[in-house]
Amino acid sequence: EPEVTQTPSHQVTQMGQEVILRCVPISNHLYFYWYRQILGQKVEFLVSFYNNEISEKSEIFDDQFSVERPDGSNFTLKIRSTKLEDSAMYFCASSVVTVNTEAFFGQGTRLTVV
Amino acid sequence: AQSVTQLGSHVSVSEGALVLLRCNYSSSVPPYLFWYVQYPNQGLQLLLKYTSAATLVKGINGFEAEFKKSETSFHLTKPSAHMSDAAEYFCAVSANYGGSQGNLIFGKGTKLSVKP
Repeated sequence: EPEVTQTPSHQVTQMGQEVILRCVPISNHLYFYWYRQILGQKVEFLVSFYNNEISEKSEIFDDQFSVERPDGSNFTLKIRSTKLEDSAMYFCASSVVTVNTEAFFGQGTRLTVV
Repeated sequence: AQSVTQLGSHVSVSEGALVLLRCNYSSSVPPYLFWYVQYPNQGLQLLLKYTSAATLVKGINGFEAEFKKSETSFHLTKPSAHMSDAAEYFCAVSANYGGSQGNLIFGKGTKLSVKP
């Protein structure tokens, strides 16, 4: 069964460093998303991406965040200068189209900023 | 703006007992509603979704949910719990009318424990 794959499963980084979280969406999907879940809190929408551009983003997705689909298969989330409060589980998701379709989620990357 | 409230961060039931996980939503437009399950060390898996068709929605693994507009609720039920149902369950509402379905607003989650 096709699945969304995220790497690494766990990333530890020092405050101020840049991190790139990687995702391989399901191959025929067109819409891609990043969510995050701070420990003990809700899963929060960060950004959606379609046709090589951001289609929606939340207030959380500020200038330190960026997304890219560099090679037609990977979908990345870059955090430019990490802060302690960026520590969270980051989920990638993809869907074929938006309306009435299922978003498939990856297993998540746990980011720990020290 | 849309929001979701899940009542009870932890629910414990005995094997074979009824499972009831509560979800109330707030939405200024007709909502699309979803239940996701997360097993330990795994991603979020869609259990079922309501998209303005039948109000009683059947999902995978014997789960179902009923959309009640008058109560703004979308509670998840299963008649008989199984040990394998132990997981965290998330209710979510689509943030946009017409459902940019990937742009979801999630509840805080309810962790279900099943006792033998």
